[in-house]
Amino acid sequence: AQSVTQLGSHVSVSEGALVLLRCNYSSSVPPYLFWYVQYPNQGLQLLLKYTTGATLVKGINGFEAEFKKSETSFHLTKPSAHMSDAAEYFCAVSINAGGTSYGKLTFGQGTILTVHP
Amino acid sequence: DSGVTQTPKHLITATGQRVTLRCSPRSGDLSVYWYQQSLDQGLQFLIQYYNGEERAKGNILERFSAQQFPDLHSELNLSSLELGDSALYFCASSGPGTSGRHEQFFGPGTRLTVL
Repeated sequence: AQSVTQLGSHVSVSEGALVLLRCNYSSSVPPYLFWYVQYPNQGLQLLLKYTTGATLVKGINGFEAEFKKSETSFHLTKPSAHMSDAAEYFCAVSINAGGTSYGKLTFGQGTILTVHP
Repeated sequence: DSGVTQTPKHLITATGQRVTLRCSPRSGDLSVYWYQQSLDQGLQFLIQYYNGEERAKGNILERFSAQQFPDLHSELNLSSLELGDSALYFCASSGPGTSGRHEQFFGPGTRLTVL
């Protein structure tokens, strides 16, 4: 079974500062990793994903994440925070369920990002 | 807009009642997933359907059931509702038409309040 741990339920940064949201995963097989963002009263929007290939993945809104197998981590970063980045962020893992069935997502507990002016 | 639609947006009902949540996946997507988001349990996978067939089950209560119809829309039925069933219920879809494998697109959710 796979699992995800997000370190820090709340992260607060100043506008223009580096954003770092931490995610560690556990999986018995090579995982597929995702970061989703949820704005208040909205659904989840995919920021970026890692399936295979390059371990540094770039997503929307200037976010990127690096898959580090040795550390079982997939931390999310953004060089310069913007007020509009304030939201809840979820790290998720899935595995290949085989054939035409794509795997369920297992989510971390979420990290609420606050951006101060 | 993800292309996944869910109705209703809000639902308020009483304990012991039964409700049906509806989801229409993105055009071309064959898989539908249901997730529950609550303050104490976080985001949890409930059940997955692929082209009308159940594929995987998660932490879904026996009082809950789902199905996917020939037109690929899905319904999640919740019965004998309890206060603890109050949550946000998300539907997501994915499929062979998706540009990236395993990418799931989420609907806006149905907020269920049980009084």
